[in-house]
This record gives sequence, C-alpha cells and structure tokens, in this order.
Amino acid sequence: KNQVEQSPQSLIILEGKNCTLQCNYTVSPFSNLRWYKQDTGRGPVSLTIMTFSENTKSNGRYTATLDADTKQSSLHITASQLSDSASYICVVSARTNAGKSTFGDGTTLTVKP
Amino acid sequence: GAGVSQSPSNKVTEKGKDVELRCDPISGHTALYWYRQSLGQGLEFLIYFQGNSAPDKSGLPSDRFSAERTGGSVSTLTIQRTQQEDSAVYLCASSFQTGPQTYEQYFGPGTRLTVT
Repeated sequence: KNQVEQSPQSLIILEGKNCTLQCNYTVSPFSNLRWYKQDTGRGPVSLTIMTFSENTKSNGRYTATLDADTKQSSLHITASQLSDSASYICVVSARTNAGKSTFGDGTTLTVKP
Repeated sequence: GAGVSQSPSNKVTEKGKDVELRCDPISGHTALYWYRQSLGQGLEFLIYFQGNSAPDKSGLPSDRFSAERTGGSVSTLTIQRTQQEDSAVYLCASSFQTGPQTYEQYFGPGTRLTVT
C-alpha cells in the first residue's frame, strides 16, 4: 500500500530559527514529490515539485531535498518568519496513476516571536 | 485569470439531506481533483477527472458520493443522504493535465460542510 509519513507531527520554533521537516514514502513507481503549505482555513499552496532526477529544489527560504533511493524527502525552512506558521504537507504521486496522489498527514509548524 | 473557485464556502445541512458542491477550475485546466479534509486530518483523495471522464473513482467513500464534470470545466460533487461523518472541508484542485509529466495542482479555498 502506498504511504507517506511525515515527522514531526508538530513543531514550535522561534522566529529567525531554521527547521527541517521530514517525509518518508513507500509510493512506487515514483513519479514526483510535492511539498505544500496550508494556512489555517485555506487550500494548500505548492512550494516545490521534484521528479526522480532532482535531488534539491529551492523556493525562496524553502529548500526541499529528495533521496529517491531511500525514499526520503526533507523541507528546510531558513530564517523562519511568523507567516511560516502553517501545516506543511508532503504529497507523492506514482507513475502508474498520475492523477491520484498520496498525502501525508502534515507537520504543523508554529513560529513564535 | 482567477484561481480555482468553490461554492458554497460553507454549507450546513441536516442529516439525510442531499448536498451539491461546485468547483470552477482554472480556465484551460483539463484535470480536476476532489479531496476531503476532516478536522485535524490530512487530505484524502476522492476522485479526479481528465476532461469529462473520471479514470479513478476509488477514493469515493461510499455510493452516496458521486461527481460529474461537464464541458471539461465545472464539476459537481454530490453527497446523498448526508451523515454526520461527512462533515469535513471538501477541496477541489485543478492542473493543466495529468500524465507522466509533472503538473502543479492549484487548490480552491474549499467548502466546509457541516452535517447536523
């Protein structure tokens, strides 16, 4: 069964600090991995999309890494801001069913002043 | 133009009633997806459309749930004989298309359904 597991479930950090969120998956055959940010009461917004051949992708202060061999990804947030407080969701798609993605339960990040 | 829109934004209904949720995708996007997010839970895939056809309906929780898409644009998710466990936020997303290449999905704001 295709699964996506994220850790930690929740995280509290001080403004200005860095943090790293983890995502492990069993989805196969792998097509792509996406990280989304979801603010409370809003729909998810895409941060990064990575395919098999990509092992890192940046979007401003967000940097995602992918190790397709170990089926692990991480999202690193640099110099956190209060507006980074949100749920971060890892999503993995398989090549055999491009329209159906497997979602992780998300990591809830709280940035405190 | 505009992003993905959904209506209504909130819907309160009595148990046993039918409800229809609407999604307007981004113009030109041929793929459309429905997801459900229960309180404090992750997103759950329901169904996706490529054009007007639905290649994968495996995520629909029961036969009370159905969805259609006409004209390759607007989609309607219908829940018949609603139950309290149907209470959730229903999210719609669209992308240029599906396939081996990677196409970004753009999400709407969701419809919050409350079944009393």
